[in-house]
Amino acid sequence: ETGVTQSPTHLIKTRGQQVTLRCSSQSGHNTVSWYQQALGQGPQFIFQYYREEENGRGNFPPRFSGLQFPNYSSELNVNALELDDSALYLCASSLGQAGYTFGSGTRLTVV
Amino acid sequence: SQQGEEDPQALSIQEGENATMNCSYKTSINNLQWYRQNSGRGLVHLILIRSNEREKHSGRLRVTLDTSKKSSSLLITASRAADTASYFCATDGRNSGYSTLTFGKGTMLLVSP
Repeated sequence: ETGVTQSPTHLIKTRGQQVTLRCSSQSGHNTVSWYQQALGQGPQFIFQYYREEENGRGNFPPRFSGLQFPNYSSELNVNALELDDSALYLCASSLGQAGYTFGSGTRLTVV
Repeated sequence: SQQGEEDPQALSIQEGENATMNCSYKTSINNLQWYRQNSGRGLVHLILIRSNEREKHSGRLRVTLDTSKKSSSLLITASRAADTASYFCATDGRNSGYSTLTFGKGTMLLVSP
């Protein structure tokens, strides 16, 4: 039990569609970060939310967007899906700059 | 972009042997962390070493950090088949306005019974 829950576990979408991935952070954690992990690669930082505001972003286009809610849960939205968006999407929660707790991820396949 | 590189990319050993993985990085850091990932699922935090520390132990794990060489190593002693997984180092950046992790590409460890 990691304390961070992601849904769905797996998802198949068609190129051009939009997708929303969800993350429930560990109790007491106010910061959520999203990562994309392509097959055979390390996770790449997408963005981070703190107290419902985006406070950092990696090298991802604007069609990757997110939200954080008052209960610190979060969503990752990707518009106009491309084949290269196929990856494992990981959510991590933390309390300030303390350690990170990762969820089990959502496996997105774009066909 | 990736912060650095893990070496080797893959490592195959027998149960009971020690496994050593190395990590190099490029920029100043607050700390360096090692994570484990089974079969492309979530990451499990193993150990964190701060930039002012040189060595840290946790059970069968030993981590070293050399900030002058911008490198770290993870040693798993007396390995078990259950240690089979991918291992990633991640740096927590010092100069960012916020804290986030930058990962390497990982080392795939196979421990045979």
